[in-house]
Amino acid sequence: DTGVSQDPRHKITKRGQNVTFRCDPISEHNRLYWYRQTLGQGPEFLTYFQNEAQLEKSRLLSDRFSAERPKGSFSTLEIQRTEQGDSAMYLCASSLLGVTNEQFFGPGTRLTVL
Amino acid sequence: LAKTTQPISMDSYEGQEVNITCSHNNIATNDYITWYQQFPSQGPRFIIQGYKTKVTNEVASLFIPADRKSSTLSLPRVSLSDTAVYYCLVGSSGSARQLTFGSGTQLTVLP
Repeated sequence: DTGVSQDPRHKITKRGQNVTFRCDPISEHNRLYWYRQTLGQGPEFLTYFQNEAQLEKSRLLSDRFSAERPKGSFSTLEIQRTEQGDSAMYLCASSLLGVTNEQFFGPGTRLTVL
Repeated sequence: LAKTTQPISMDSYEGQEVNITCSHNNIATNDYITWYQQFPSQGPRFIIQGYKTKVTNEVASLFIPADRKSSTLSLPRVSLSDTAVYYCLVGSSGSARQLTFGSGTQLTVLP
C-alpha cells in the first residue's frame, strides 16, 4: 500500500495524559499536513511541513500541541495534557510541491479523551 | 481568504445526475477550485480541480463560469456508493492555510 498511513487508528486516553500520533506520507511527497475534524464539520487545518520545515501553524494549534517531521519523512503530532475538547479525528495528508491543492489523506486517528 | 458556500444536504436517486453548486464570490486570481469527497470514518479524497471553464475526469465534471464566482460539481448517474460529504475548496498552492474545508454538502443517494 503506497498511500498515507496513520498510527494508531484509534486512541482512548484519560484527561491530562499525553498522546502521540504518527503519519507516514507517500514517499515522494515533500508536503505534509495535519488537520483536525470534529463530528459534522469539515477538517480544520492545524499545521504544514515542507520537507522537515514547519512552515505554517494555525491559531488552533495551542502550545499543548507540537508537530515534528524529522528528516522530512514521517511526522508526529503530540498533544500534551489532553483535554476532553481534544477529542476528534486527526487527519494527515501529503502532497507534492507544485501540484495544486491535491492532497492525499490518510485514514485518520480517532482520539477520545475521557 | 476565499470563503465558500454550498448546500448543507442534497438527496438524489440512483442513476440520476447530481449537480452541487458552490459559491466563492471572493476568489482570487491565482486560486484554484477543488472538490473532495469524504465517507464516514475516512479521510477526504480528491475528486477534481479546475481553474476556469470545464474540467472532466473519470468520475466527475467541474463547471466554472467566466467570472469564477461559483462552480458546479456534476456527478453523472450516481449510485448508492456516492453517498458522502462533498467539499468545495478554493485556494492556491502557495499557502496551505488557505485550503479551508467548510461543512460540505451531505449527498444521500436513495434506491
